[in-house]
Amino acid sequence: RKEVEQDPGPFNVPEGATVAFNCTYSNSASQSFFWYRQDCRKEPKLLMSVYSSGNEDGRFTAQLNRASQYISLLIRDSKLSDSATYLCVVKMDSSYKLIFGSGTRLLVRP
Amino acid sequence: GAGVSQSPSNKVTEKGKDVELRCDPISGHTALYWYRQSLGQGLEFLIYFQGNSAPDKSGLPSDRFSAERTGGSVSTLTIQRTQQEDSAVYLCASRSPAGSGANVLTFGAGSRLTVL
Repeated sequence: RKEVEQDPGPFNVPEGATVAFNCTYSNSASQSFFWYRQDCRKEPKLLMSVYSSGNEDGRFTAQLNRASQYISLLIRDSKLSDSATYLCVVKMDSSYKLIFGSGTRLLVRP
Repeated sequence: GAGVSQSPSNKVTEKGKDVELRCDPISGHTALYWYRQSLGQGLEFLIYFQGNSAPDKSGLPSDRFSAERTGGSVSTLTIQRTQQEDSAVYLCASRSPAGSGANVLTFGAGSRLTVL
């Protein structure tokens, strides 16, 4: 089983739609969680950290479910510019290692 | 510097040649990571540096791969006797120190390696 798993997609949604991605992780001792965004042929960039109580940044909401070992990303009112690959990142316990999921591709159409 | 700088941005080489990829992290970031991303795939962890030390080299795919870091700053990733399966984008990232924004990685633009 992979340490961090994501549905590769693509998720193809119209502008204005709400879309949600999940990411599961295998190590229950994982401590820190992040969502990164990667545009085609570009480097990944931090989208948002994921806090235990859940957090929101504009149209983006991140949630953590420790019992079921998954994190989620909800995007409201999708924009064309949201089209990208969304990478789930998990830091294991006190380790330095940040493990990346293989990403979920989102396509927002006009 | 202001961001993570990697060079070369593109490298085409012949099978069997050695290549060296360079990463210059953000000033003050003591932690440095190398990842590899093959076409259409996720990021594969290669190695991590804390200062000049690499506590874990287990992500390096084979003994043809090595990395070093000197002066707690610039790092080089060396691939000897390159093979076609080494073709990928090699991404370097540095990590912000403890405190606000800790554990956040800032990536360079990557070095795209093509082995013919």
